[in-house]
Amino acid sequence: SQQGEEDPQALSIQEGENATMNCSYKTSINNLQWYRQNSGRGLVHLILIRSNEREKHSGRLRVTLDTSKKSSSLLITASRAADTASYFCATLGQNFVFGPGTRLSVLP
Amino acid sequence: SQTIHQWPATLVQPVGSPLSLECTVEGTSNPNLYWYRQAAGRGLQLLFYSVGIGQISSEVPQNLSASRPQDRQFILSSKKLLLSDSGFYLCAWSGLAFSSYNEQFFGPGTRLTVL
Repeated sequence: SQQGEEDPQALSIQEGENATMNCSYKTSINNLQWYRQNSGRGLVHLILIRSNEREKHSGRLRVTLDTSKKSSSLLITASRAADTASYFCATLGQNFVFGPGTRLSVLP
Repeated sequence: SQTIHQWPATLVQPVGSPLSLECTVEGTSNPNLYWYRQAAGRGLQLLFYSVGIGQISSEVPQNLSASRPQDRQFILSSKKLLLSDSGFYLCAWSGLAFSSYNEQFFGPGTRLTVL
């Protein structure tokens, strides 16, 4: 079964609003990473949070990790149209496993 | 700085034809290399990874094979393509295999359509 699963599958918001995406996983992990993919392009690494960390910030990104619930969230604050992309969580346990992604649309 | 190349960018092949996709990395030594496949609108499926020349690990049984003839070269192949091989193929590298500090760097991808 899928290790990392994001929800929602798709999210549409207005520019300036915050976007929250969630990721759940099933087995123990070393770290959890979030990636961004523009349509038809390769993935770009956004942020990595280790299993002993609970929260991490990078610019407008905030990632939380709750290992007891086996879940993570990615918050993008003050969203921009350029944030429109698919966002994937990836868990590193024995191997890398990517979730199916959340398609974020930020409307101007 | 490190750069990862993939080619071709797009490929249309008939069923039963062979396949060869190439990935090369510049600016780093002894990278860990990965091949992923992404179906339309879906997440990534790890196909193969390699921690060194000639060392290939396969994640799922399939119609594809991988080879690493040189330190910074990773090749994905098939002798006879199936319709189900269509997808977006991504190559990636990382400095440390499966460590707590690992992140992966992705190439631009190859979109393969099998007709």
